[in-house]
Formats: sequence, structure tokens, C-alpha cells
Amino acid sequence: YVLTQPPSVSVAPGKTATITCGGNNIGSKTVYWFQQKPGQAPLLVISYDSDRPSGIPERFSGSNSGDTATLTISRVEVGDEADYYCQVWANSRDPLYVFGPGTTVTVL
Amino acid sequence: EVQLVQSGAEVGKPGESLKISCKGSGYTFTNYWIAWVRQMPGKGLEWMGSIYLGDSDSRYSPSFQGQVTISADTSINTAYVRWNSLKASDTAMYYCARHKAVGDYMDVWGRGTTVTVSS
Repeated sequence: YVLTQPPSVSVAPGKTATITCGGNNIGSKTVYWFQQKPGQAPLLVISYDSDRPSGIPERFSGSNSGDTATLTISRVEVGDEADYYCQVWANSRDPLYVFGPGTTVTVL
Repeated sequence: EVQLVQSGAEVGKPGESLKISCKGSGYTFTNYWIAWVRQMPGKGLEWMGSIYLGDSDSRYSPSFQGQVTISADTSINTAYVRWNSLKASDTAMYYCARHKAVGDYMDVWGRGTTVTVSS
């Protein structure tokens, strides 16, 4: 199972960043999103397509339908600069976790 | 505080064996799975496999099956990944992360262990 993400997204502070994660009928799977800042471990920012773990700002939201899942960051801050990865559990012939290739968000 | 503490950076030579560890604290270790995730320099995240600490059931990514062995010692709340014969291409950062069930989210991550393989 293959996931696709745009390599990079640029956004001005205070604007909205939209990061897509494409996969065949991904809407039928559960999507997780992780944020990774340089030199740090990944941080879960969205679980079960659209749930925010405790401590994650409301500015982070997720959706999932059809062939595309989306992470939206509203009112972007400089501190949101990071790589963002989507992840699914591909329960196919070879069950496994699959990560997307990652999207670098740059705050201009 | 729930945390996963990983062992320190390792340097090895091609052909050598190596085992790195991940120790859990602040939660009931045997109620969770521990996943291992590779990140090669400048690259993305790759799931290697997971082990359930309740009964040592393990699942591997096809890409890593036969390349590494994931194990655990529940008496000391520690999970491991072992290489029998290192390759230069094993040079990477390795993270452990816990998840409640197969297919569930990875909510707590270790800080990572850097493995460098060089002759």
C-alpha cells in the first residue's frame, strides 16, 4: 500500500497550511499524522483521522475521505515548521504500518 | 510520567552483531506493543516491526523480516532490536514507540538511537 504526500508546503504566519496524504481508498482506513522537528522524535498530532491527542492545539485538524486524507494547520505559527508524516495500518495480505514520504512545512 | 528511554548511540563494523534497547516506564508495559521505526539520514520514517509485551507476539514489515530480530524482557520492561550482521545500509536513527493494539496509533516515542556502521 503506497501513500503520497507533497514534498513541501510553504505558508505565511497566520495563514492555513493544508497537507494531503493520498492512497487508494484511504477513506476506508484509519489515518494518523505525526510532526517531526529537526533532531526530535516524531510527535502524534492527529489520531483516528481527526482526533487531537491531549496537548495538541485546536489549530491542528484532520479529515479523511475517498482517496485523500488531509491535515490542516490553521493560524500557522513559526513553531509549526516541521516535517509531517501520515501513517495508516494497511491490513492487506502483508499487514503493516505504512508511512507517507513526509511533507516539509516552511513558514515564510 | 510515561516514557520510553532508548540506549545510547552505537558504532559498529559491517558483519558485527548489535542489539539496542528501549525501556518503558510510567505505564503497564505488558499492556502495550512496542514498535521499532527506522529513519535513514535525511529520509522518512519506516516501520520495522512491533512486539506485544503481553505474550511476545511479534509482527514484521516484509522489508525487515529476516534482517532484524525484535524481542523483549518484560522483567525489566525493555524491548530490543538485534542485528546479527550489520551492513553499512543499517546506518540510521532507530526509534521505539508504543501502541495499544495492532493498527493503533503510536502515542509515546523514545528519543531515538543512532546506529553508525562503518569499516
